Amino acid sequence: GENVEQHPSTLSVQEGDSAVIKCTYSDSASNYFPWYKQELGKGPQLIIDIRSNVGEKKDQRIAVTLNKTAKHFSLHITETQPEDSAVYFCAATYTNAGKSTFGDGTTLTVKP
Amino acid sequence: DTGVSQNPRHKITKRGQNVTFRCDPISEHNRLYWYRQTLGQGPEFLTYFQNEAQLEKSRLLSDRFSAERPKGSFSTLEIQRTEQGDSAMYLCASSSGQPGTEAFFGQGTRLTVV
Repeated sequence: GENVEQHPSTLSVQEGDSAVIKCTYSDSASNYFPWYKQELGKGPQLIIDIRSNVGEKKDQRIAVTLNKTAKHFSLHITETQPEDSAVYFCAATYTNAGKSTFGDGTTLTVKP
Repeated sequence: DTGVSQNPRHKITKRGQNVTFRCDPISEHNRLYWYRQTLGQGPEFLTYFQNEAQLEKSRLLSDRFSAERPKGSFSTLEIQRTEQGDSAMYLCASSSGQPGTEAFFGQGTRLTVV
């Protein structure tokens, strides 16, 4: 089955700095890669996603890159703000199978 | 439509008791997923439905767990003879099922088995 590894497990940055979270996956059949933000006591909320036919996608301060050959994808957050502090999860999905395999999460702390 | 709704939000039960959780997906979403999340881990897939059909079950879903989605609308997840190891957040998500479309998660049900 699919295996997703996520690094780092914790990340602390100063407000205004950039944050990068990296994930690798094992199953080349995976073709959809969402990123979720989870705040304490809440369910995961999608912040950006990328499909396997695209190498990069950007939405304001958030961007995701995908390298299918190397089977890794990354989340980039620029100009971080304290409200970006949360746990971030990457996931790999084979859309025909439906389910997503999640990484173990990165706890991002943005210091004011 | 207010998104995916899960009830109850919290459940404390004694070991050996049965519990049932409910999930109401976003209307017209034909795919519904159940995940389990323990502290410090990402969500782990349990099972999913396409309309009323249960298409896949994880090995995590022991015979004490059963899920249903009658009429392809809301879903229930029942755990029989609960054990302390069942303590976790149980998350429900739904999607339209179109390739590459996002899954929307509910707020989860936090189960504590004492």
